[in-house]
Amino acid sequence: EAQVTQNPRYLITVTGKKLTVTCSQNMNHEYMSWYRQDPGLGLRQIYYSMNVEVTDKGDVPEGYKVSRKEKRNFPLILESPSPNQTSLYFCASSVPGQANNEQFFGPGTRLTVL
Amino acid sequence: AQSVTQPDIHITVSEGASLELRCNYSYGATPYLFWYVQSPGQGLQLLLKYFSGDTLVQGIKGFEAEFKRSQSSFNLRKPSVHWSDAAEYFCAVTGGSYIPTFGRGTSLIVHP
Repeated sequence: EAQVTQNPRYLITVTGKKLTVTCSQNMNHEYMSWYRQDPGLGLRQIYYSMNVEVTDKGDVPEGYKVSRKEKRNFPLILESPSPNQTSLYFCASSVPGQANNEQFFGPGTRLTVL
Repeated sequence: AQSVTQPDIHITVSEGASLELRCNYSYGATPYLFWYVQSPGQGLQLLLKYFSGDTLVQGIKGFEAEFKRSQSSFNLRKPSVHWSDAAEYFCAVTGGSYIPTFGRGTSLIVHP
């Protein structure tokens, strides 16, 4: 089954404790991205990647890091989480090269930073 | 730069009533337009998309949307809403790149 998976689905942590949210897709998509969803603000892009070893900042990259060492994986790293990073996070992937390509989304990771 | 506006934060309808969710976009050329649905506890799923041809687009779950260039709109419609349609709906636009811009979403509440 074609899918985007994220782990963990739920995470409660404390300020300053480094964490990683994993994202993996099995559709051989080159394009992957991370979003955060907050009430009233919709989806805001954090980082995206056009291909392996190619990443770029989205609209709200501060406090986040990403890496793209393999095509299928695109982990989101919070080196020193803060309470304002409490949010619902989505990973997405798509076939690049055409603007009419749909995004395939993971199920989301709900993060709470105390 | 491209942008999307969804003017309605919440919409409440009765089951069986018709539905229209508004979406306005800003982009200098022909846009690529999408509607996604997010059911509670789920990721986003594509409902339909427009990129050329017929301006009335049919999607899954009985939804349709109409692209109106003169009004820069891409409103989502459904003739008869079911309780299972209660969800968050996002409009998105993609321009020259394939990086989409999403609207803030409209929350649909369905009353029995």
